[in-house]
Amino acid sequence: DTAVSQTPKYLVTQMGNDKSIKCEQNLGHDTMYWYKQDSKKFLKIMFSYNNKELIINETVPNRFSPKSPDKAHLNLHINSLELGDSAVYFCASSHYRADTQYFGPGTRLTVL
Amino acid sequence: GEDVEQSLFLSVREGDSSVINCTYTDSSSTYLYWYKQEPGAGLQLLTYIFSNMDMKQDQRLTVLLNKKDKHLSLRIADTQTGDSAIYFCAENRGGSQGNLIFGKGTKLSVKP
Repeated sequence: DTAVSQTPKYLVTQMGNDKSIKCEQNLGHDTMYWYKQDSKKFLKIMFSYNNKELIINETVPNRFSPKSPDKAHLNLHINSLELGDSAVYFCASSHYRADTQYFGPGTRLTVL
Repeated sequence: GEDVEQSLFLSVREGDSSVINCTYTDSSSTYLYWYKQEPGAGLQLLTYIFSNMDMKQDQRLTVLLNKKDKHLSLRIADTQTGDSAIYFCAENRGGSQGNLIFGKGTKLSVKP
């Protein structure tokens, strides 16, 4: 009965690689998000997306791209990984924009 | 300023009350949230308060909102060792965009 799930939980990879993190929600929500939590635990919005609009935080490099195959999924693709991309990435969803957000368990990405 | 501010650490004894404070920035934020993050875990929605409310109580949790001062607090009554975690305050800034802006988190340590 998991509400928001992410895979993988841990991801270790080399600089320069391309990787994806998957997110699925079974709450019937219309809007999904990606957040980045750095080593100091600071959380920052990366994207918010519903079937009408993708809103990108202007500070996110274009190496990051969200892909949504359907309303229940929002995957995060990262190209040309850099050391600074090491962080925990959280997916979240809400019924609509500005509604309460529910978070997944996070994916810890380590770039070597 | 632009940031949501929280003190970084709080230490209490088991059985005492804990009060975690937060200062937010956007007076138009409609909802304010408290999330809990246990070590190595995701973000758990604890409670939230609508901006037209002054107080909300949910079992051991009491949220107080002072809109004039843009001050939010979370009181945990009868704090237990299982309450040890990082507590994040968040405001729903940007109106319909739905982006959550988080504070840096308060690490609560509960001593037996």
